[in-house]
Amino acid sequence: DAKTTQPPSMDCAEGRAANLPCNHSTISGNEYVYWYRQIHSQGPQYIIHGLKNNETNEMASLIITEDRKSSTLILPHATLRDTAVYYCIVKVSSGSRLTFGEGTQLTVNP
Amino acid sequence: EAGVAQSPRYKIIEKRQSVAFWCNPISGHATLYWYQQILGQGPKLLIQFQNNGVVDDSQLPKDRFSAERLKGVDSTLKIQPAKLEDSAVYLCASSKGTYQPQHFGDGTRLSIL
Repeated sequence: DAKTTQPPSMDCAEGRAANLPCNHSTISGNEYVYWYRQIHSQGPQYIIHGLKNNETNEMASLIITEDRKSSTLILPHATLRDTAVYYCIVKVSSGSRLTFGEGTQLTVNP
Repeated sequence: EAGVAQSPRYKIIEKRQSVAFWCNPISGHATLYWYQQILGQGPKLLIQFQNNGVVDDSQLPKDRFSAERLKGVDSTLKIQPAKLEDSAVYLCASSKGTYQPQHFGDGTRLSIL
């Protein structure tokens, strides 16, 4: 699976959009981009995934660049409960292993 | 739907003792995973089951760790004997299939004295 690079930490004001970047410059054509988050003392939570088109669900939006070498997870209206470590993972569609990096610690401030 | 259930939530043992963790996946999920998460790191896959069978156990320290999934539902992960470096959170996850997103339990926090 391709390696991902994320900033170690980010801050966001409550009510504002949180934009979390991820670089995956060695991504292959059959690899998906997955986002999970982990709130303190809880297990990781699936957020969203995509191949090449932008995706949106009730939690977030995923924007993937045309060359697929980077992506951005958008939380449109961040709340204090969105404070967590966010993991960007690239995974082959036919494989199951999730390889977690160190992620981005997002802190939402009041 | 009910989430992935794990027990116990916390466990403290002395080194060289044995310990077991239990996981009940989401109903209907054929694929079950055990991850180890050491403090400050992301989770690392230990073993993956598809129904009763093991799909991937390449990162399982087989000299001391074992896991089983009887009847393709519940699973147990055992450590015997425990070492200090086994102190971690043990997470169980399940998915409908290998192509589907994984859903995690809240884990068992293991401390080795």
